[in-house]
Amino acid sequence: NAGVMQNPRHLVRRRGQEARLRCSPMKGHSHVYWYRQLPEEGLKFMVYLQKENIIDESGMPKERFSAEFPKEGPSILRIQQVVRGDSAAYFCASSPNGVPYSNQPQHFGDGTRLSIL
Amino acid sequence: GENVEQHPSTLSVQEGDSAVIKCTYSDSASNYFPWYKQELGKRPQLIIDIRSNVGEKKDQRIAVTLNKTAKHFSLHITETQPEDSAVYFCAARSPFGNEKLTFGTGTRLTIIP
Repeated sequence: NAGVMQNPRHLVRRRGQEARLRCSPMKGHSHVYWYRQLPEEGLKFMVYLQKENIIDESGMPKERFSAEFPKEGPSILRIQQVVRGDSAAYFCASSPNGVPYSNQPQHFGDGTRLSIL
Repeated sequence: GENVEQHPSTLSVQEGDSAVIKCTYSDSASNYFPWYKQELGKRPQLIIDIRSNVGEKKDQRIAVTLNKTAKHFSLHITETQPEDSAVYFCAARSPFGNEKLTFGTGTRLTIIP
């Protein structure tokens, strides 16, 4: 029973390039959340998705960042024209199907550590 | 929106002693409070959680208490061991917040052998 899978584990990009981070939720989970963790800080919510739907993107920067969770395949967090300040660990979490507000626990992947040169 | 504060930011205890980490939250509607342990370079791991319909929950050496009136909850680790050294994060979730977790800023716990 594989956990939340994220790839790549480490990603290096030069300023101005694009970064694509992938997340496959646990089997049977259809809710995906992305969080960002700056060095020595806590996790900050970015976006919550269900299959083919963005439910809450209140934590996403208005520009350069986008997320999707297609019917088939992993969830993708995309950062265009990266800047040094985008360097962080990006974690994906998933939770089971269920009634909204059912307080299902979220399980995290190993994260993608993004470094911008 | 929800705001979670966590104290202390660092904590050192002798092996075998107890450790207590405290969090407060602002949204009285929040009803789910998980605790995560994160070792260096690794994923946050859920170690225990509590829902607002109970005041205390225990799992071996780990316990969590919740005071809804005061809007605070605490993690208690007894008989600490070196492998308990990690960063611990509390979080809160409101039923009206689209399932997102609001995290505290973390506590770096060091167990002194």
